[in-house]
Amino acid sequence: EAQVTQNPRYLITVTGKKLTVTCSQNMNHEYMSWYRQDPGLGLRQIYYSMNVEVTDKGDVPEGYKVSRKEKRNFPLILESPSPNQTSLYFCATRGATEAFFGQGTRLTVV
Amino acid sequence: GQSLEQPSEVTAVEGAIVQINCTYQTSGFYGLSWYQQHDGGAPTFLSYNGLDGLEETGRFSSFLSRSDSYGYLLLQELQMKDSASYFCADRDDKIIFGKGTRLHILP
Repeated sequence: EAQVTQNPRYLITVTGKKLTVTCSQNMNHEYMSWYRQDPGLGLRQIYYSMNVEVTDKGDVPEGYKVSRKEKRNFPLILESPSPNQTSLYFCATRGATEAFFGQGTRLTVV
Repeated sequence: GQSLEQPSEVTAVEGAIVQINCTYQTSGFYGLSWYQQHDGGAPTFLSYNGLDGLEETGRFSSFLSRSDSYGYLLLQELQMKDSASYFCADRDDKIIFGKGTRLHILP
């Protein structure tokens, strides 16, 4: 079954404590991306990757890092989380015409 | 810059037809996709228009006019389970999404 798997699904953390949200896909897609979703703002792209070792900034990259060392994994790293990064995060991959999303990670930074 | 504009909310009656419009301003446009998202869930793919015209998938249809930079999603025979947010998206390298249209369905 085609899957995009994110972990964790829920996370509460404190300001400044580094965290990583993992994303893995089993579809052998080259393209992967991270979005954050906030009420009234829709899905805003944080970073995307067109292939292994190739990453680019999206619309809201500040405060985030990513890496793409292998095709199936695309972790999102928050080196020093702040309360304004409290949000719902989605990882996605894309086939020819269709994007596939992970289940989402609800992050709260206190 | 790239942007996709869609209404923030639409209300319709169960059993009726509703149209959700999307206008776009993008460079290197490939095609227009539509996604559905229920509260608490992930977006799921509904349809894609790479060429002008109408694409039909069951109760849902999607239309694209490249000359007008415009598309729409048409939902027929509305059911309560169709209450959700709907996003148009530009299928380019970055996959830019509109802000979404919240569809409210009245019994």
